[in-house]
Amino acid sequence: DAGITQSPRHKVTETGTPVTLRCHQTENHRYMYWYRQDPGHGLRLIHYSYGVKDTDKGEVSDGYSVSRSKTEDFLLTLESATSSQTSVYFCAISESRSYGYTFGSGTRLTVV
Amino acid sequence: AQSVTQPDIHITVSEGASLELRCNYSYGATPYLFWYVQSPGQGLQLLLKYFSGDTLVQGIKGFEAEFKRSQSSFNLRKPSVHWSDAAEYFCAVGAQEYGNKLVFGAGTILRVKS
Repeated sequence: DAGITQSPRHKVTETGTPVTLRCHQTENHRYMYWYRQDPGHGLRLIHYSYGVKDTDKGEVSDGYSVSRSKTEDFLLTLESATSSQTSVYFCAISESRSYGYTFGSGTRLTVV
Repeated sequence: AQSVTQPDIHITVSEGASLELRCNYSYGATPYLFWYVQSPGQGLQLLLKYFSGDTLVQGIKGFEAEFKRSQSSFNLRKPSVHWSDAAEYFCAVGAQEYGNKLVFGAGTILRVKS
């Protein structure tokens, strides 16, 4: 989608290694989110941000951390990847609740 | 807490037939309601949204949805399905009390028979 980019698109990593996923936006939206998508669970919120250096936990935040030092970048870090973190990760941005979300194309992460 | 239920995991319809995808939510106040569509290997695209006012909302690609407060439902409909509508559909709910966060249903996979 225009204005939001996720990198990398695909990644395979080994159990126990750190991994960082990047979400970059050019829309200057205040709100940014990280979700994971797993079959049968839909999308579940990991962490979100409502401004630079303002972040909070979602429903499945254990094992994940985030940082937002600039409006345009929201980083998701798996400190020590586990097989249960194999998933598709989506970043989303929002200007306000009235506009819903715009999603990135996703990052497929496999932990072996 | 908010929750969203999409009772149908899979639905198969014939091309040209009508479609209704169900969505029920659990929340006391007036929610913000959304439907998103996801094609294989892609991100999610917003189809339509409801905040207030007319309970029948129109979206892109010929979709519409109706908010029924008494049934806590926000079902998605389309009068005539096209093969290109085959995708996964997600209902999502937000509420002012929960900030700008959305809770998503588990999704419904739509298959279209030719």
